[in-house]
Amino acid sequence: GENVEQHPSTLSVQEGDSAVIKCTYSDSASNYFPWYKQELGKRPQLIIDIRSNVGEKKDQRIAVTLNKTAKHFSLHITETQPEDSAVYFCAASSPPHQGAQKLVFGQGTRLTINP
Amino acid sequence: GEEVAQTPKHLVRGEGQKAKLYCAPIKGHSYVFWYQQVLKNEFKFLISFQNENVFDETGMPKERFSAKCLPNSPCSLEIQATKLEDSAVYFCASSQEPNQPQHFGDGTRLSIL
Repeated sequence: GENVEQHPSTLSVQEGDSAVIKCTYSDSASNYFPWYKQELGKRPQLIIDIRSNVGEKKDQRIAVTLNKTAKHFSLHITETQPEDSAVYFCAASSPPHQGAQKLVFGQGTRLTINP
Repeated sequence: GEEVAQTPKHLVRGEGQKAKLYCAPIKGHSYVFWYQQVLKNEFKFLISFQNENVFDETGMPKERFSAKCLPNSPCSLEIQATKLEDSAVYFCASSQEPNQPQHFGDGTRLSIL
């Protein structure tokens, strides 16, 4: 089945700098890749997603890139702010032929923004 | 409703007791997913439904875990004869279509003592 690896596990950046989190997936048939932000004790919140027919997507300070050939995708946060501090999870959806597409999550990255 | 609603927020059970968790998906969403998040933060998929039909139960420990989504009722996840390792936060998510964004509830924190 699908396997998603996420790096780094922790990331500390200065406020205003950029942060990049990387994920790789194993099943080339996966076609949907969301990113979730989870604050302590809260629900995962979808912050951006990308589909396999697109190479890049941007929403204000957040962008995601997808390289289907290499089977990896990355989250880029620019001009980081203290409120960006959280755990970020990448995920890949199981291939379409498997029906309702469960998400396979990466291990999470704890991002800390230092003032 | 506009959000996935999970109850209770926190559930404490003694080892060997039964635990039952509930989830009301967003109105109009036909797909429901259950995930287990353990202390190391990792999410494990348990089961998914399309309306009241089980779609994928490959993640369910079938001996003690069961789940249902019945018409006009919240979905439920039940654990019989709970074990210490069942302690986790159980999240429910819903989506309109199979490959659409999944929206998560606040989760139920299950503590087995």
